[in-house]
Amino acid sequence: KAGVTQTPRYLIKTRGQQVTLSCSPISGHRSVSWYQQTPGQGLQFLFEYFSETQRNKGNFPGRFSGRQFSNSRSEMNVSTLELGDSALYLCASSPTLTQGSYEQYFGPGTRLTVT
Amino acid sequence: AQSVAQPEDQVNVAEGNPLTVKCTYSVSGNPYLFWYVQYPNRGLQFLLKYITGDNLVKGSYGFEAEFNKSQTSFHLKKPSALVSDSALYFCAVRAPTSGTYKYIFGTGTRLKVLA
Repeated sequence: KAGVTQTPRYLIKTRGQQVTLSCSPISGHRSVSWYQQTPGQGLQFLFEYFSETQRNKGNFPGRFSGRQFSNSRSEMNVSTLELGDSALYLCASSPTLTQGSYEQYFGPGTRLTVT
Repeated sequence: AQSVAQPEDQVNVAEGNPLTVKCTYSVSGNPYLFWYVQYPNRGLQFLLKYITGDNLVKGSYGFEAEFNKSQTSFHLKKPSALVSDSALYFCAVRAPTSGTYKYIFGTGTRLKVLA
């Protein structure tokens, strides 16, 4: 099976702009989670989607939003970018609980740099 | 509050020596615990998990972890370290929240195996 894919891998944006990141989960996985990774904060949970519904949300401002499509692909959007949004954004997918697996499978991440 | 702590930012070990990367957790209910490894410019890679059963769990690349309920710990171990084990290691717990669950990650421990 193909792994989790994220596009683009690298992005450079200017303060005030907006950005959309994309994630394609492993085939058959319906849960997609997004994380922000920075050297000082580690992995911070952004949100989780399951069957096109946001099931859980972390403590991030409303500038961070996401959605999931019927094919389980997910997008994350950040509006009005700030310098502090520079980070590695990771997407992770996981199978349904009925499949007896609880671990997450991560994509390679999108490195966002805000100047 | 539910949390995961990795008390060491960095662990140095000589090649061939045993290694331990520490993790303690605080979560309501039975903990589901995970270890992930991250190589440079890559996403996180699943190593092993504890859900239930034997307190010693074995995972990929010769790693194992010991679940200790009384000490609320889940330390990662390997009998003989390799230089190629040098990477960033994350401990995570699946924690119940608002009728669903979320994954909480530690801040990571950088493992350096010296030749």
